[in-house]
Amino acid sequence: EAGVAQSPRYKIIEKRQSVAFWCNPISGHATLYWYQQILGQGPKLLIQFQNNGVVDDSQLPKDRFSAERLKGVDSTLKIQPAKLEDSAVYLCASSLSWFGSSTDTQYFGPGTRLTVL
Amino acid sequence: TQLLEQSPQFLSIQEGENLTVYCNSSSVFSSLQWYRQEPGEGPVLLVTVVTGGEVKKLKRLTFQFGDARKDSSLHITAAQPGDTGLYLCAGATAGANNLFFGTGTRLTVIP
Repeated sequence: EAGVAQSPRYKIIEKRQSVAFWCNPISGHATLYWYQQILGQGPKLLIQFQNNGVVDDSQLPKDRFSAERLKGVDSTLKIQPAKLEDSAVYLCASSLSWFGSSTDTQYFGPGTRLTVL
Repeated sequence: TQLLEQSPQFLSIQEGENLTVYCNSSSVFSSLQWYRQEPGEGPVLLVTVVTGGEVKKLKRLTFQFGDARKDSSLHITAAQPGDTGLYLCAGATAGANNLFFGTGTRLTVIP
């Protein structure tokens, strides 16, 4: 079974530029998560989708971050404009159940390492 | 905001030694998970505990959920170089369907 795919793996941009990340979850997984992991810290949830609906985006900086999962499958996360403090690894994860229980197994992709100069 | 603090932050030990990693919070969690993350990869789930006082064993790893469901520990017996990685605990509060991750413990096992 293929795992969670993310691209690109690495991205270097200058501040105030825009960037987009792509995630393809495990086939059949209803719930998709985007996390931000700053160096030396644990992942922080940015947004959670169940199918194509947003369940939780309370920690998403909506003035600059946006995410969509239009057909309930793959998803994109965009930052516009980027700031220096956005430098981090952006992880995508998916889980099987449609109701997104906290005890579900979340399967993580390898992440996209973003460096903002 | 739930805060999960892990200790120690860094741990470097010799192969064959035992170690314990702690995950503490002032919040009560309905469930708690432990993950291991290797460089350049995403976290991988090791275990989920849901009952206060619960103990789960996974080969040389022993996980315990505190009686009050505010803390957890991970004990590794006879550590091996393959155990090297970032260990993360993650908790969920009642009614929540997402996780709060701890600060992480970076373990290095020296051959």
